[in-house]
Amino acid sequence: DARVTQTPRHKVTEMGQEVTMRCQPILGHNTVFWYRQTMMQGLELLAYFRNRAPLDDSGMPKDRFSAEMPDATLATLKIQPSEPRDSAVYFCASGLQERELFFGEGSRLTVL
Amino acid sequence: AQSVSQHNHHVILSEAASLELGCNYSYGGTVNLFWYVQYPGQHLQLLLKYFSGDPLVKGIKGFEAEFIKSKFSFNLRKPSVQWSDTAEYFCAVRGYNKLIFGAGTRLAVHP
Repeated sequence: DARVTQTPRHKVTEMGQEVTMRCQPILGHNTVFWYRQTMMQGLELLAYFRNRAPLDDSGMPKDRFSAEMPDATLATLKIQPSEPRDSAVYFCASGLQERELFFGEGSRLTVL
Repeated sequence: AQSVSQHNHHVILSEAASLELGCNYSYGGTVNLFWYVQYPGQHLQLLLKYFSGDPLVKGIKGFEAEFIKSKFSFNLRKPSVQWSDTAEYFCAVRGYNKLIFGAGTRLAVHP
C-alpha cells in the first residue's frame, strides 16, 4: 500500500537547535508539498516542488527554513535555528501532476 | 491569488442529522477541488475530488459535494451523519500548481 513516509514522527528540541524533517513521497509522484499545521494558523503552505524543482517557497521564513529535494525519493525541511513559535505539525504530501495530494502522518515538532 | 473560504468553523450535530458544509473559492482559472477529512490526531485523507464533468461528485463514507461554477462554491453534504464522522473537514482548491486549504470546519456529532 503506497504511502508518504515522514520522519521523525515526534521531535522535541531546544530553541536554537537545528531540526531536519524528512519525507519519502509515493513512488512515481512528481509533486511534493510541505505544510505546517497549528491551532492558530491552520494549514499553511510552506513550499512545494515539481519534478524536484522548487516552485514556490514564499510561505517559509527564509532566514531559518530551507526545503530541498536531493533526489526523487527524498524531500527535506530544515529549520536552523529553531524557535518556540516553530512548534507545529509539519505535513508532507505528494501527488501526480495536478491531481489530489496524499499526506504523510506528519512530524510533530516541539521547540522548548 | 487563490483563496478558500469555509463558512462554518464549528458545527455540532446529532446522529442522523443532515450535514452541509460551505466552501467558496477565489481563482481566475480552471481549478480542481477537493474535500479532505482529518480525524483527531491523524493526517489528512481525501474524501472526494472534482476535476471536470458531472458537478455532483460522490466520495467515501457517504459524502458528496456539488460544484457550482457560477457561485464559485463546492459544498460538502451528507444526508445522515454518524458519531464516527466527528473530525475536521478541509476544502481545498488547486489552481496552477498550488493546493490551498480553507481554515477547516470542526464537526462534532453527538450520539
